[in-house]
Amino acid sequence: DTGVSQDPRHKITKRGQNVTFRCDPISEHNRLYWYRQTLGQGPEFLTYFQNEAQLEKSRLLSDRFSAERPKGSFSTLEIQRTEQGDSAMYLCATKVLAGTGELFFGEGSRLTVL
Amino acid sequence: QQQVKQSPQSLIVQKGGISIINCAYENTAFDYFPWYQQFPGKGPALLIAIRPDVSEKKEGRFTISFNKSAKQFSLHIMDSQPGDSATYFCAASISSGSARQLTFGSGTQLTVLP
Repeated sequence: DTGVSQDPRHKITKRGQNVTFRCDPISEHNRLYWYRQTLGQGPEFLTYFQNEAQLEKSRLLSDRFSAERPKGSFSTLEIQRTEQGDSAMYLCATKVLAGTGELFFGEGSRLTVL
Repeated sequence: QQQVKQSPQSLIVQKGGISIINCAYENTAFDYFPWYQQFPGKGPALLIAIRPDVSEKKEGRFTISFNKSAKQFSLHIMDSQPGDSATYFCAASISSGSARQLTFGSGTQLTVLP
């Protein structure tokens, strides 16, 4: 257990529905990242927060995706009008601000879109 | 754009043998190269990391070899054990970048036979 919690662990939804994932980071970690991992591939960067500010988004993050980190604590990742191509593992990772210190990953939220 | 290429895709090794996984990168601005280990149903966990100012780093049975001129780095697992069976990802990042997000390779599924 890395201390990064993600919920739900699994989500099955029908195409067109909205889903929301939550990440609770290690308390003193300023930076929070969202990655997407599809089967047989490495994680791909989606977006990151420094405290409550969302500072960068990947081109993978379409308009149907939105992420928030109110008060710089937990973060949510919402996918609207889900498509089958959104099926993946969504990973949250956190680290302290300084340097290239270790990135701690949660166990992920697996999304299956039918 | 795949900036970190990893091989082989899968690897089968006998217990006690040496497992070798290779990665090559394109972006010469990368200056932090970690290896992550991922077990099924879990998030990736940092195994060992290296910076380009050294050519080798060893931690227990795990060694990273780094060749800056060739833009390649590799993970060697000595005395491989069945418990090492997992998926291994190389990654790279830029320390001075604003996001410092990791770019991952596509992963190597290692199976260590008892």
